Amino acid sequence: SQQGEEDPQALSIQEGENATMNCSYKTSINNLQWYRQNSGRGLVHLILIRSNEREKHSGRLRVTLDTSKKSSSLLITASRAADTASYFCATDDTDKLIFGTGTRLQVFP
Amino acid sequence: DTGVSQNPRHKITKRGQNVTFRCDPISEHNRLYWYRQTLGQGPEFLTYFQNEAQLEKSRLLSDRFSAERPKGSFSTLEIQRTEQGDSAMYLCASSLVGTGDEQYFGPGTRLTVT
Repeated sequence: SQQGEEDPQALSIQEGENATMNCSYKTSINNLQWYRQNSGRGLVHLILIRSNEREKHSGRLRVTLDTSKKSSSLLITASRAADTASYFCATDDTDKLIFGTGTRLQVFP
Repeated sequence: DTGVSQNPRHKITKRGQNVTFRCDPISEHNRLYWYRQTLGQGPEFLTYFQNEAQLEKSRLLSDRFSAERPKGSFSTLEIQRTEQGDSAMYLCASSLVGTGDEQYFGPGTRLTVT
């Protein structure tokens, strides 16, 4: 079963623009992770934020976490065509990951 | 570090046949996970191992599914009497306990049951 939902389901932007995607989850967590998946391939870990953190940065990525609202957001700044992919949030549940439904991001050159 | 590898990458089989997939984790990783992903959805947890012990199985893992990790290294996932509903991408991931919660995923095996 899926833990939660990503919003929007799909997002199309131009290169150079920022992309924001949101994730909501249902249960309490120890951490929340974001993964990227290129078409038909495996997932690549992007960033992990722990439940006692509110914001984290990694290169062009910024992740926020609001445990009171059970939500997280991923911001990709200055997007590139190579950022085109599906993005999933995942929460931990006794050592396994529970994934959301994903946001499909299309970045046009 | 050659990453997580999975074989085969694609498998087409007829309904009722048995299939077996293999996953080779990152060599020093002691945890190995199997997930299933259908089109347009996120991965769903199936089972995981710590070393050779299978610690948890999802209710998604019916009696037709069996997973092994006999020597605590590679793992196999077998599906018996395949059904069309088994068509999906099967993903393997590995991690090292105590180094954080990040999981490293393989490229997946895409199963098509005709």
